[in-house]
Amino acid sequence: DIQMTQSPSSLSASVGDRVTITCRASQTINSYLNWYQQRPGKAPKLLIYAASSLQTGVPSRFSGSGSGTDFTLTISSLQPEDFATYFCQQSYVTSYTFGQGTKVEIK
Amino acid sequence: QLQLQESGPGLVQPSETLSLNCTVSSGAISSTSHYWGWVRQPPGTGKGLEWIGNIYYSGSTYYNPSLKSRITLSIDTSKNQFSLKVTSVTAADTAVYFCARGWGGSYSRLDSWGQGILVTV
Repeated sequence: DIQMTQSPSSLSASVGDRVTITCRASQTINSYLNWYQQRPGKAPKLLIYAASSLQTGVPSRFSGSGSGTDFTLTISSLQPEDFATYFCQQSYVTSYTFGQGTKVEIK
Repeated sequence: QLQLQESGPGLVQPSETLSLNCTVSSGAISSTSHYWGWVRQPPGTGKGLEWIGNIYYSGSTYYNPSLKSRITLSIDTSKNQFSLKVTSVTAADTAVYFCARGWGGSYSRLDSWGQGILVTV
C-alpha cells in the first residue's frame, strides 16, 4: 500500500491567514493526488484533483501543487467556513489511501 | 444534482454481516464514466478515512486488500442502487460508512458523497 502522511496534524489560524498543508506519499504518485474538506458531522467534499485542478464550485482561494511524492494544499485567505479537517488521497493505485487528516482550528 | 443516500441497520451484532445500500438519485448508476464506492470513518472528531472498495456499472470490483476477504460490493441498475456487505464484523468495523461516486477516467476522484450512516457493532 502507498502510505500518505500529512503535516501538520492540526493547526490554529485566524481569519485572513494564509494556510499551507503538506501531504507526502511513500512512493511516487505523479499527480494522482486529491484533496478533500470535511466539516464536523458532514461528508468529505472534493476540493482539488490531479494535484492542482480546482473542482467546479470550489472557491479560488484554494489551490494545490506538487507532483511525485510531495504535495501542498494552500488556502490563500482563510474564511470562517474553512475551519474543518482536510484529507489528501492518492489515486495512483487502486487502493485509494487517505492521509490521516489536518484539522484547521480557529486561533 | 446527483444525490446519494445510504441506508441499512445502525446496529449489527458481532460476527454477523453488515449490509448497506446506497441509492442514487438525479443521475444514472449505469454511467460508464463513473464508478461507485464506499469509504468509512471511525466515529469521533478527527478520525481518518478508509477506502473500502469500488464497483463499476460493468460489475468490476476493486477492494481494499485489508478487507478483501470480508467484503462484497454489488450493483442493481433496476433500483439505481449499489450495496456493501461486510461479513464477520467486530467492534473494529464500527464506523460512519459513506457511499460516493467516483470519476472513472484519468485522475480518479470521489466527487459526490452521501451523508454517511453510523453503524455500530
